[in-house]
Amino acid sequence: QVQLKESGPGLVQPSQTLSLTCTVSGFSLTSYSVHWVRQHSGKSLEWMGRMWSDGDTSYNSAFTSRLSISRDTSKSQVFLKMNSLQTEDTGTYYCARNALPGYNPYWYFDFWGPGTMVTVSS
Amino acid sequence: IQMTQSPSLLSASVGDRVTLSCKAGQNINNYLAWYQQKLGEAPKLLIYNANSLQTGIPSRFSGSGSGTDYTLTISSLQPEDVATYFCQQYNSWTTFGSGTKLEIK
Repeated sequence: QVQLKESGPGLVQPSQTLSLTCTVSGFSLTSYSVHWVRQHSGKSLEWMGRMWSDGDTSYNSAFTSRLSISRDTSKSQVFLKMNSLQTEDTGTYYCARNALPGYNPYWYFDFWGPGTMVTVSS
Repeated sequence: IQMTQSPSLLSASVGDRVTLSCKAGQNINNYLAWYQQKLGEAPKLLIYNANSLQTGIPSRFSGSGSGTDYTLTISSLQPEDVATYFCQQYNSWTTFGSGTKLEIK
């Protein structure tokens, strides 16, 4: 069955770089896009970026200068790297699968990982 | 595109018909999804394309609307529906609403 799972450090120091991994199973990264979404505690959801099935990427302009998304299809993993972290980057980070495969305008998400909590603090 | 949800908090009784609203800052052409998020869990897709029910979701959930105004309706509220509900537009990139927290009275 389709599964996604985020992993990474729970604590990051201010100004450092966050590295997260999304490991997927039950589908191919060459067929489906994977998105990264974050949520500040108890608050709304913020789309960060997307790894398309063809290997291209798209980013929320709020993060463009410090966010990078990549993948390793042989390991079924998608990576998020974000530098210059500040306390306001504290939150839960999710990876989620785009519901429809391939290139299409339907950016809704049918499967989500459980999320990984990241705290930015010295 | 700004997405505004109302109310932010809603209390209702078991068996009530419940309506949650989501208003977009511009026409989003029915490119709207609804998610349910229970405490400590990831969001769960309920509705896509404004009115299509995701597989496995109970039929008491339904979506409607057009243009800038959209609604999620629960026809008969159940205790397990306690959650925060988010709308998401995907007409232009994607953005989420601020959520409606649904409680049992």
